[in-house]
Amino acid sequence: ETGVTQSPTHLIKTRGQQVTLRCSSQSGHNTVSWYQQALGQGPQFIFQYYREEENGRGNFPPRFSGLQFPNYSSELNVNALELDDSALYLCASSPPGGRETVNEQFFGPGTRLTVL
Amino acid sequence: GQNIDQPTEMTATEGAIVQINCTYQTSGFNGLFWYQQHAGEAPTFLSYNVLDGLEEKGRFSSFLSRSKGYSYLLLKELQMKDSASYLCAVPSASGGSYIPTFGRGTSLIVHP
Repeated sequence: ETGVTQSPTHLIKTRGQQVTLRCSSQSGHNTVSWYQQALGQGPQFIFQYYREEENGRGNFPPRFSGLQFPNYSSELNVNALELDDSALYLCASSPPGGRETVNEQFFGPGTRLTVL
Repeated sequence: GQNIDQPTEMTATEGAIVQINCTYQTSGFNGLFWYQQHAGEAPTFLSYNVLDGLEEKGRFSSFLSRSKGYSYLLLKELQMKDSASYLCAVPSASGGSYIPTFGRGTSLIVHP
């Protein structure tokens, strides 16, 4: 069974640029969540996708957007990058259980984004 | 809204027992998660408590008191590899889904 994978591992961008991060969910999982984790902080929920639809969003501006594909993989897009966007971006997938099920999350290794 | 509080850092000796506390304030309770995160790695699931009481899983146990808004993670027979950040997380219902709020994590340092 393949776990959650993310690409790229590391990324350096400059302020104002756009970035796309990718995530492949664990086999059999249909829910993907994205988190931003600044150094020394806990993960902050960005949004969640369930069966290709956004299923909840945290307190992040619209320049943070996402997609989920039919194979349940997902992308996180961030436009107009700011210095404060520098962080570890984590993707987590959950097994099927319906929209209103609290499930354990399986995290990928993350993408370390540095904005200069 | 959600509010989660955990100590920032703790130190302990190899072979000892350590208790990491987490207090939370939430509108509607849907369980509490504990995750372990080694430096530079992804968080990994440790436990999920919905009912009051202690749940034991090997060297790790997790306790919940819903009336007090309080949980703790108990680590016994500490090993050097237990040095990591321990994250407390509380999911809250929002528009048909559950949005988890994580605490900032407790950095545990185990020394010989």
